[in-house]
Amino acid sequence: QLQLKESGPGQVKPSETLSLICSVSGVAIRRSSYFWGWIRQSPGKGLQWIGSVFDDGRTFYNPSLQSRVSMSVDTSKNQFSLMLKDVTAADTAVYYCVRDGEELWFGESPGAGPKKWFDPWGQGARVTVSS
Amino acid sequence: SHELTQPPSVSVSPGQTAKITCSGDALSDQYGYWYQQKAGQAPVVVIYKDAERPSGIPERFSGSSSGTTITLTITGVQAEDEADYYCQAGDRNVINVIFGGGTKLTVL
Repeated sequence: QLQLKESGPGQVKPSETLSLICSVSGVAIRRSSYFWGWIRQSPGKGLQWIGSVFDDGRTFYNPSLQSRVSMSVDTSKNQFSLMLKDVTAADTAVYYCVRDGEELWFGESPGAGPKKWFDPWGQGARVTVSS
Repeated sequence: SHELTQPPSVSVSPGQTAKITCSGDALSDQYGYWYQQKAGQAPVVVIYKDAERPSGIPERFSGSSSGTTITLTITGVQAEDEADYYCQAGDRNVINVIFGGGTKLTVL
């Protein structure tokens, strides 16, 4: 059974970099034909898609966060990661790792981007930005 | 194309039908999705591609689409359906994902 679990510091100082890892169990990321992503939830902004990454490292980011976000995949550890730099209090949120709700069709290029819906979700990791 | 609008709250008695709407320009040519989030838990998709129900989701959950509005219908609401419900769609013009603000369903 596919499970996703987020890990990382629960508190980050303003202007520093938030780093989270999602550990995947039950299925291999490599050659899975799925995009893997991050979504956050804060009281002020509700749910916000941060971005998605394919097993070849191809990434797509929310335009509003693109300048501060990077994602990567480590297929040897069956993990993918999120880095968000220059954080402020507005980045305080619960961060969820997710998998796309459907895989790419046979022959479909990941260049077209993620499928834009998500199933399943990890349990979430609460990150507070505070000095 | 950057917003999806949902009512903040809907209340219904057990056994009745609850309808939650979601409106936005993106829905005119993008599929809509619905997620259920119970207190302290991660969201779970209950409807995908406007009207498809994932395996394991009860049949009382259904979805429909018309123009720029999608609707989640829960027929015969049960106490366990009390949760926040979020709609979601892809952005029309760029690779982006947008969520509605959420609707709190209260079972009276």
